[in-house]
Amino acid sequence: DVKVTQSSRYLVKRTGEKVFLECVQDMDHENMFWYRQDPGLGLRLIYFSYDVKMKEKGDIPEGYSVSREKKERFSLILESASTNQTSMYLCASSSASNQPQHFGDGTRLSIL
Amino acid sequence: AQKITQTQPGMFVQEKEAVTLDCTYDTSDPSYGLFWYKQPSSGEMIFLIYQGSYDQQNATEGRYSLNFQKARKSANLVISASQLGDSAMYFCAMREGHNAGNMLTFGGGTRLMVKP
Repeated sequence: DVKVTQSSRYLVKRTGEKVFLECVQDMDHENMFWYRQDPGLGLRLIYFSYDVKMKEKGDIPEGYSVSREKKERFSLILESASTNQTSMYLCASSSASNQPQHFGDGTRLSIL
Repeated sequence: AQKITQTQPGMFVQEKEAVTLDCTYDTSDPSYGLFWYKQPSSGEMIFLIYQGSYDQQNATEGRYSLNFQKARKSANLVISASQLGDSAMYFCAMREGHNAGNMLTFGGGTRLMVKP
């Protein structure tokens, strides 16, 4: 079974802080993704990566950056957290073929 | 324009009955794939079923089936014999072409509530 692990289920941070959300997958998947989920808006893609050290912007990259130094790990960074980044963040991974994305349990992030 | 549209924000269904969750999509790419995910209140996203644009048959997985109408650009999820555990958010998603990274675009979701 594919396992995608996000480092925290719940996180509370203050505005202006630098925030790191970590995601690790154990299936040697090439592709990894970060989404945020807000009520009524579904999942929106922030960034994705299709290889180590490769990253591509998704639909809403502003205010975020990512890091993929190792194949199994994909980190999302909020450079200077703001209250409008309070949301549920979901990490996913998939193989290069036409396979579904597998998701972590999500991190509910609150910025105060 | 929305690439994936789920027009039902919320739906009720009686336990043991069948229910159809609507999904329409918009793409000019002849090669695409459609996915359905379930998200219970605990938050994890669970993959349910997949339909490729060139698949001749409608996809089925246990109690889940996909009513794929290519000309109408719709890919409705049918859940037969609903169970209380089916209460959740359901998301339709699309992958277009053979994009690097296997990116998906998600709809806004439908909240299904199963009544005992």
